[in-house]
Amino acid sequence: EVLLVDSGGNVVKPGGSLRLSCEASGFTFNSFGMNWVRQAPGRGLEWVSYISAMSTYMYYADSVKGRFTISRDNAKNSLYLQMDSLRAEDTAVYYCARSGDSAYFFEYWGQGTPVTVSS
Amino acid sequence: SYVLTQPPSVSVAPGQTARLTCGGKNIESKSVHWYQKKPDQAPVLVVYDDSARPSGIPERLSGSNAGSTATLTITRVEAGDEADYYCQVWDNNNDQRVFGGGTKLTVV
Repeated sequence: EVLLVDSGGNVVKPGGSLRLSCEASGFTFNSFGMNWVRQAPGRGLEWVSYISAMSTYMYYADSVKGRFTISRDNAKNSLYLQMDSLRAEDTAVYYCARSGDSAYFFEYWGQGTPVTVSS
Repeated sequence: SYVLTQPPSVSVAPGQTARLTCGGKNIESKSVHWYQKKPDQAPVLVVYDDSARPSGIPERLSGSNAGSTATLTITRVEAGDEADYYCQVWDNNNDQRVFGGGTKLTVV
């Protein structure tokens, strides 16, 4: 069974930093691309970032480019999102999601971890 | 960047058919994926690559993509289908994944 467990969400002040983690199990982690997707309160889903299976490619939404960094440790079956220069509009539930075979959709999702940016 | 347009809400009676649409420029040339999102739960993939269903998703849910509109069709609607539904594509111009704004399906 594929399992993704998100963690690291917290309350942080504007301009602060936070690191999210996602621990994966139930599949060969180093064979799949991984993503972060978020949902702000009362808003829709927003893709945040993608990293390929061997970390060769990384892509970001325009709204987080230059502030967020995605990474992974295949030896630990873990995905990370380093979030710097946080803004109020980054407040959301963050989900890690495993790509499907084509890498362009999200086949499995974590339970989400909440991030609140507030003074 | 690529924009996907979904109606904010659709209402349907139990047992009837719901058709949720997703529009975008030349969308018929893209692969469209659909997700179901219920409050306080993680999203669930219900259709990928226009019309393929993941294991465990009932045949009542089906997808199509033709004539400038992608459609998620839910037949014999049940109370448990009440949720937000999002379409999603890959924007190959800048390697970004894009979601539509979502449609709230209400079973009345």
